[in-house]
Amino acid sequence: NAGVTQTPKFRVLKTGQSMTLLCAQDMNHEYMYWYRQDPGMGLRLIHYSVGEGTTAKGEVPDGYNVSRLKKQNFLLGLESAAPSQTSVYFCASSKPGAENTEAFFGQGTRLTVV
Amino acid sequence: AQRVTQPEKLLSVFKGAPVELKCNYSYSGSPELFWYVQYSRQRLQLLLRHISRESIKGFTADLNKGETSFHLKKPFAQEEDSAMYYCALSRGGSNYKLTFGKGTLLTVNP
Repeated sequence: NAGVTQTPKFRVLKTGQSMTLLCAQDMNHEYMYWYRQDPGMGLRLIHYSVGEGTTAKGEVPDGYNVSRLKKQNFLLGLESAAPSQTSVYFCASSKPGAENTEAFFGQGTRLTVV
Repeated sequence: AQRVTQPEKLLSVFKGAPVELKCNYSYSGSPELFWYVQYSRQRLQLLLRHISRESIKGFTADLNKGETSFHLKKPFAQEEDSAMYYCALSRGGSNYKLTFGKGTLLTVNP
């Protein structure tokens, strides 16, 4: 059981370039999330999705777009990368329910924008 | 708005000493509180949640609604406990997105 898988694991971009981060989960979870992790800032929610075809903004959505065309995939796009987007990005998924709100995380994508 | 505060960025203890990682939250409703842990070069994983009232790897955490706290405790720290610990809050209901604190890096010295 793979759980949550992120692609790629590492990437270096030049300022202004675009890229898409892919998150795939095989647990049939309804909810999916994208977080960024920065030193001293913890994890901050970028965008999230509560189901196929739906997305919503989180705490720091500017500069990012997302899509959830299939239940198992959640894509995070950077249209024009900026050095401020240098970070470690984590995808997570969870299943709704009072007893099942554990979020399962991917291994992270380390992105450097130069 | 919900907020999670972890006042200590760094915490260093010796092996065998008690450890307490502090977490305070602000939320007007009934929150669900969690502790997540990230060991070196590993993904975040759930350590424990208040609703389960369980002890994992010797760690416990009690939700104190009066003090709006959810401190993580362990009576005797081990070197393998060294990791980054995040306190997180969910509003429950139909919205389960997590709000994380900034994390506390725990180092257990031999």
